[in-house]
Amino acid sequence: DAGVIQSPRHEVTEMGQEVTLRCKPISGHDYLFWYRQTMMRGLELLIYFNNNVPIDDSGMPEDRFSAKMPNASFSNLKIQPSEPRDSAVYFCASSFSYNEQFFGPGTRLTVL
Amino acid sequence: AQSVTQLGSHVSVSEGALVLLRCNYSSSVPPYLFWYVQYPNQGLQLLLKYTTGATLVKGINGFEAEFKKSETSFHLTKPSAHMSDAAEYFCAVSLGGFKTIFGAGTRLFVKA
Repeated sequence: DAGVIQSPRHEVTEMGQEVTLRCKPISGHDYLFWYRQTMMRGLELLIYFNNNVPIDDSGMPEDRFSAKMPNASFSNLKIQPSEPRDSAVYFCASSFSYNEQFFGPGTRLTVL
Repeated sequence: AQSVTQLGSHVSVSEGALVLLRCNYSSSVPPYLFWYVQYPNQGLQLLLKYTTGATLVKGINGFEAEFKKSETSFHLTKPSAHMSDAAEYFCAVSLGGFKTIFGAGTRLFVKA
């Protein structure tokens, strides 16, 4: 298996622009997680899905953030409009049931 | 509520010395426990996990951890540090069916 795939790996954008991050989980996994990692705040869980249904989005910082999982093979995280404080590394992870999570390589987002 | 505390945000050891990274958790029911490692510019990857059974768990790269219920601890050890062990290590707890809570991470430095 190719593992969790994220795209793009790096994204540089200007404040106010829409940003879309994409994730393809491991086939057969029923949980998908979106995390944000910064030096100041560490690893934060933003939202997670079970069988494509959002279960807990309490970590989503603001209404500017949204995430969808239209099918078992794809999820995206959108930020609109983006702000410099959104600069971070965003990770997607997937798991089967209660087991360990498999992380993607991350997307490094820089908002100028 | 479940929580994870990693003692020490930075740990420095000499090459060949014992590695000990401390993790304490809070959980009202038997937890699943994990240690993940993150190398620079990469996602997290699983080192080892405890679900049930034997309390001493062996993982990859010579690491092991012992689940001590009475101390609510899951410390990570390695008898002899190698330069390649330099990374950030995360302890995590899951109550099965609920989201996994990650600790703040401990950065391990290995001196030549």
